[in-house]
Amino acid sequence: DTEVTQTPKHLVMGMTNKKSLKCEQHMGHRAMYWYKQKAKKPPELMFVYSYEKLSINESVPSRFSPECPNSSLLNLHLHALQPEDSALYLCASSQWETSGNTIYFGEGSWLTVV
Amino acid sequence: AQKITQTQPGMFVQEKEAVTLDCTYDTSDQSYGLFWYKQPSSGEMIFLIYQGSYDEQNATEGRYSLNFQKARKSANLVISASQLGDSAMYFCAMREVGDTLTGGGNKLTFGTGTQLKVEL
Repeated sequence: DTEVTQTPKHLVMGMTNKKSLKCEQHMGHRAMYWYKQKAKKPPELMFVYSYEKLSINESVPSRFSPECPNSSLLNLHLHALQPEDSALYLCASSQWETSGNTIYFGEGSWLTVV
Repeated sequence: AQKITQTQPGMFVQEKEAVTLDCTYDTSDQSYGLFWYKQPSSGEMIFLIYQGSYDEQNATEGRYSLNFQKARKSANLVISASQLGDSAMYFCAMREVGDTLTGGGNKLTFGTGTQLKVEL
């Protein structure tokens, strides 16, 4: 079983809605990540948090707003999304961002924007 | 430029047989890591195996082994004794270490994946 927990599993939202995706890990990992995966494509990195600070933003539009309240939690706030933002959003964590340690993923949140 | 190449969009294998999924990579870094993940239709990205660039021995995890040929820049996944539950998409990925001055970053770049189907 994965030790990275993502909620909700499925989310349908309108283009004017504000919603959030949540991710939690209790492995003591200090690096957490958001990836976006479109259908039949590989995941693409969005954000990296290291020690609760944003260390990488892959030029993601501002309608996606990440937040790391503490070392165990990672949120992705969604506002004014477009239908093309519909995708699988994967959260991941690793022990430390620049180490060779394994990067573990959650089960993902399937987002549909209508 | 694409740094991870998986040339097999789809593969079929009979149950109990072994199968090799190909992965080649390109990097100028001396220190890097290579991962294989399995993604069933449910969407979860399941870690299978990891190989560091300085590891002299090929990594093994149960029925999974990684055939690491550094000079050829290849990191093929071998699954022995295939099972019906192995049917899934398989991704090869490479870890790049980011700029430590800006806080670093453990960026994973994925290949396009290989869809494996295990048949009776």
